[in-house]
Amino acid sequence: EVQLVESGGGLVQPGGSLRLSCAASGFTFSGSGMHWVRQAPGKGLEWLSYISTSGAIIYYADSVKGRFTISRDNGKSSLYLQMNSLRDEDTAVYYCATSSWWRMVVWGQGTTVTVSS
Amino acid sequence: DIQMTQSPSSLSASVGDRVTITCRASQTISSNLNWYQQKPGKAPKLLIYATSSLQSGVPSRFSGSGSGTDFTLTISSLQPEDFATYYCQQNNSSPLSFGGGTKVEIK
Repeated sequence: EVQLVESGGGLVQPGGSLRLSCAASGFTFSGSGMHWVRQAPGKGLEWLSYISTSGAIIYYADSVKGRFTISRDNGKSSLYLQMNSLRDEDTAVYYCATSSWWRMVVWGQGTTVTVSS
Repeated sequence: DIQMTQSPSSLSASVGDRVTITCRASQTISSNLNWYQQKPGKAPKLLIYATSSLQSGVPSRFSGSGSGTDFTLTISSLQPEDFATYYCQQNNSSPLSFGGGTKVEIK
């Protein structure tokens, strides 16, 4: 069974940092591009970042460019999102998802990040 | 950047109704348009990709059409399990973007 499990969410103060992880299983992780997508409370979906199979191609939304860094470790079948300089508006549920032609096919269950003093 | 606009933002319908949701792109995206369904507290689920291709396991009452800038998701006969929020998403170019969502509620 294809499965993605996010972790690393929690409560952090404004200006702080957090690193999210996404553990993949049930498929060849190294063969799939990956996305991070978030959803603020009561709001819609916001695409954040994409990384190609090797990590050579990376894209970011303007809202997180320069603050967030996507990375992956194919040997560990894991995806990461390093989040720095966090703001109140970064409070959201963060999802990882597999990519096929830049569409999100399989999603994790999400991890909640709360930025608050 | 490409903006995606969905309408309506919400609708009320009854079981058995035909439901249509519209998505408009701010510039042409060819057929690079996907639809997702999200139920409360759950992750989104891919329903339709490339405008009209049904993702594996999705019931045939769901269909998609359109091209260029205007796209439609149709549910031919609404079922109780279809009450959810639906999002369109363009995968034509980065930054990728979603529509604001359409909440389908029970009348």
